[in-house]
Amino acid sequence: QEQLVQSGTEVRKPGSSVTVSCEASGGTFSSDAISWVRQAPGQGLEWMGGITPVFGTTYYAKKFQGRVTITADKATRTAYIELSSLTSDDTAIYYCARADYDYVSGTYRYRAFDSWGQGTPVIVSS
Amino acid sequence: DIVMTQTPLSLPVTPGEPASISCRSSQSLLDSDDGYTYLDWFQQKPGQSPQLLFYLRSYRASGVPGRFSASGSGTDFTLKISRVEAEDVGVYYCMQRLEFPYTFGQGTKLEIK
Repeated sequence: QEQLVQSGTEVRKPGSSVTVSCEASGGTFSSDAISWVRQAPGQGLEWMGGITPVFGTTYYAKKFQGRVTITADKATRTAYIELSSLTSDDTAIYYCARADYDYVSGTYRYRAFDSWGQGTPVIVSS
Repeated sequence: DIVMTQTPLSLPVTPGEPASISCRSSQSLLDSDDGYTYLDWFQQKPGQSPQLLFYLRSYRASGVPGRFSASGSGTDFTLKISRVEAEDVGVYYCMQRLEFPYTFGQGTKLEIK
C-alpha cells in the first residue's frame, strides 16, 4: 500500500503563507489523486481540494478558492498545498490522502481515500 | 454543496454492546449512471490520521474487522458495530464523494462507558 509522508510542523504569522508537502512511496504516483483535508483543533474533517498529478488537474472547495494552490511534482512523487492570507482560523492539522481515480463525463472522480499522511500541524499566531 | 449530517454526535457504549451511527445526505448519493452510491466511512482513533472503513456505501476496506458493517441507500446510511471493543474508541465520519467538493459529516465520537 502506498505510504504518504508529510513535512513537519509550521508556525506562521497572520497574513503570511504556508506550504505543506506530501511525498508518496510504494505505489504508482501516476495513478494517484491526492486530496488535502484539514482538521481544526477539536473539530471535524474538511476537504480542501485535490489534484491528479499526472495531468495536473485540480479541484478546490469554493471556500478556499483564491487562497489555495495544490501542485504536484511527478519526478519527486510529492504533492504540495500552499495556503495564503493565513488567519488564526487556519490553525489546523493538514492531511494528504491518496486515491485512485476515474475520468467520467469530462471530470475526474476520486475513488476511496485508502492511505493518509501522518498530518502536518500548522499554527497561525502573532 | 452536499450537506452530510451525522447522529448522534456522541455515543457512549458498554463493551460488548452494539453501536449504530446514522449519516444523512442532503441529496441522493446514488449515481444513476453506474449504480454506485458514493458514501464512505472513516475511523479516526485518538491522535491518529483517519482510516478508511467502508467505501461505496458497504464495501469493507482491507483489514476492517467483521464486527463492523455499513448499509443504507439514497440519502440515509448507517454504520454498525455488532459488539463494541475498547479499541473502537474514536471519531467516525461519513463522507460523500459523488461530487466536488467532497464533504464530511460532523463526526460521531464513540467512547466506552
